[in-house]
Amino acid sequence: DAGVIQSPRHEVTEMGQEVTLRCKPISGHDYLFWYRQTMMRGLELLIYFNNNVPIDDSGMPEDRFSAKMPNASFSTLKIQPSEPRDSAVYFCASSLGDGYTFGSGTRLTVV
Amino acid sequence: QKEVEQNSGPLSVPEGAIASLNCTYSDRVSQSFFWYRQYSGKSPELIMSIYSNGDKEDGRFTAQLNKASQYVSLLIRDSQPSDSATYLCAVNPNGQNFVFGPGTRLSVLP
Repeated sequence: DAGVIQSPRHEVTEMGQEVTLRCKPISGHDYLFWYRQTMMRGLELLIYFNNNVPIDDSGMPEDRFSAKMPNASFSTLKIQPSEPRDSAVYFCASSLGDGYTFGSGTRLTVV
Repeated sequence: QKEVEQNSGPLSVPEGAIASLNCTYSDRVSQSFFWYRQYSGKSPELIMSIYSNGDKEDGRFTAQLNKASQYVSLLIRDSQPSDSATYLCAVNPNGQNFVFGPGTRLSVLP
């Protein structure tokens, strides 16, 4: 099993640009989570899906953020337009309803 | 407000000693509890889960849960420099998503 796969590993973009982060969960896992981690705020849940359906998006900071899960093997998190305060590590995780498995994360820097 | 609190550390222990990491949570209905280890620049990895009051041992790690006190801890026996990392406590209040604590940074000194 290749684990949870995220891409890209690093992203540097200019303020105002659109950013798309990608995630492939572990096959068979029916939950998918997007987290953001910063030194100041720790790990914050942004949104999670169950069987491809968004369940709770109350952690999405504002309308600039959107997430989709078109099928069981793929999810995207999009930021448009990006701002410097969005700089963080974004993690995707999947589970069967118990312990999470995290991907390697995407380090986003918005300049 | 569902909250999970941990001592931020850093917690420094000498090699071979017992490291004790503590976590308290506010949501009384929480039923499952997890400890994750995160090395600098890496993603969190699950090291222990516990669901019932009492102790659960796995190698050098022991998780302890006291639901009445809303307290969960992680003991690391015979600490090694390779145990130096940030340890995250996670609580699953609804059977679906986790709430993570801020993490405790552990440093094991050779």
